[in-house]
Formats: sequence, C-alpha cells, structure tokens
Amino acid sequence: GENVEQHPSTLSVQEGDSAVIKCTYSDSASNYFPWYKQELGKGPQLIIDIRSNVGEKKDQRIAVTLNKTAKHFSLHITETQPEDSAVYFCAASMYDMRFGAGTRLTVKP
Amino acid sequence: SAVISQKPSRDICQRGTSLTIQCQVDSQVTMMFWYRQQPGQSLTLIATANQGSEATYESGFVIDKFPISRPNLTFSTLTVSNMSPEDSSIYLCSVEGTGRSDTQYFGPGTRLTVL
Repeated sequence: GENVEQHPSTLSVQEGDSAVIKCTYSDSASNYFPWYKQELGKGPQLIIDIRSNVGEKKDQRIAVTLNKTAKHFSLHITETQPEDSAVYFCAASMYDMRFGAGTRLTVKP
Repeated sequence: SAVISQKPSRDICQRGTSLTIQCQVDSQVTMMFWYRQQPGQSLTLIATANQGSEATYESGFVIDKFPISRPNLTFSTLTVSNMSPEDSSIYLCSVEGTGRSDTQYFGPGTRLTVL
C-alpha cells in the first residue's frame, strides 16, 4: 500500500519568512495530493491540493509543487504569519488516502 | 465544502464502557470515513461507511470493537466498545467532496479520554 513520509516533523520560522514542508510517496499510481492544516482542538482543514497532471498550484501565500518522477511534493508558505502556526499533514491518494506524520509549524512574531 | 458536526466534542469514559460518536453532514454524501488520531500522531483510517451496506474496515480494526452505522446519506455513528486507556484518541469523521470524489473534508473531531 501507499506510504507517505513527511519532513520535517517540527519547523520554526520567524514571521515573514517562508516555510517549506516536503513529502514523498511510494505508490506511483497515486494521483491526488492534498494538504491539511490542523489547529489545536480542531479537525484537519483542506488548504490546497494538487493532481498528478499538474506540476504546481498556488493560492495566495500557499503553493504546492509536485514531482511525479521523483514521487515527492512540497508545501510552500510565504510571508508566514503567527496564525499559520499549526500542524500540517500531507496525503496521497489513489483509492485510499494515506497521511504523512505531520509537521508542527511555529511562526514566531 | 460540506458542513460536518460531531457529537460529543469530548468525553471522559471509564474503562470497559462504550461510547457512540455521531457525525452529521449538511448535505447528502456517498462516502463517509472514520479516522483515529492518537495523541500527537497522524490520521489512521478505521473504516469507510457506505449507506445501505456494511462498513469496510482497515487492517487492525474490527467491527466488534468499532461498530459503525450509516442509516442515511447525511448521518453515521461510530461506537468505541469495551474501552481501554489505549482507545484515548481523537476520532474524526470525514466525507467526500461533492463532485470531487477524492477530496475529503473533516469534522471537528471527538476527543475521547478513557480512564
């Protein structure tokens, strides 16, 4: 089955800096790659996703890139703000969605 | 995206008892999912709940421990049976997005503590 690895497990940045979280997947058949943000005490919230026929997608300060050949995809957050502090999960899906272990992002004011 | 609610939001239970968690969606959805998130961990799929048929369980999860009901297209329940402290987790339901069958949207979760 699919195996998703996510790095780093924790990330601390200064407000205004960029943050990058990377994931790799094992099943080349996976074709959908969402990213979720989970704030304390809440359920995961979908923030951006990308499909295998697209290499990059951007939504304001958030972007995701996908390298199908290398089987890795990344989340990029620019101009980070304290409210970006949360745990971020990547996932890969063909039929079943498998999640990475999560990255705890802390943005220091 | 669908609006998903869960009840209860949190509970503290005694060992050996059972708790039923409810998941309500504001629109009809075909696929509903139940996940477990142990403290500080990622999300693990327990089962997929389809209306009108038995739930499909992932490896390591059994119906006797986690019975699921799906009486209609907007509602599902997950029961955690004969609880032990190892069952202390956040339990999340999710639904497929309308028109986008591979996107999942999550409810707020139920935080369960077993003493």
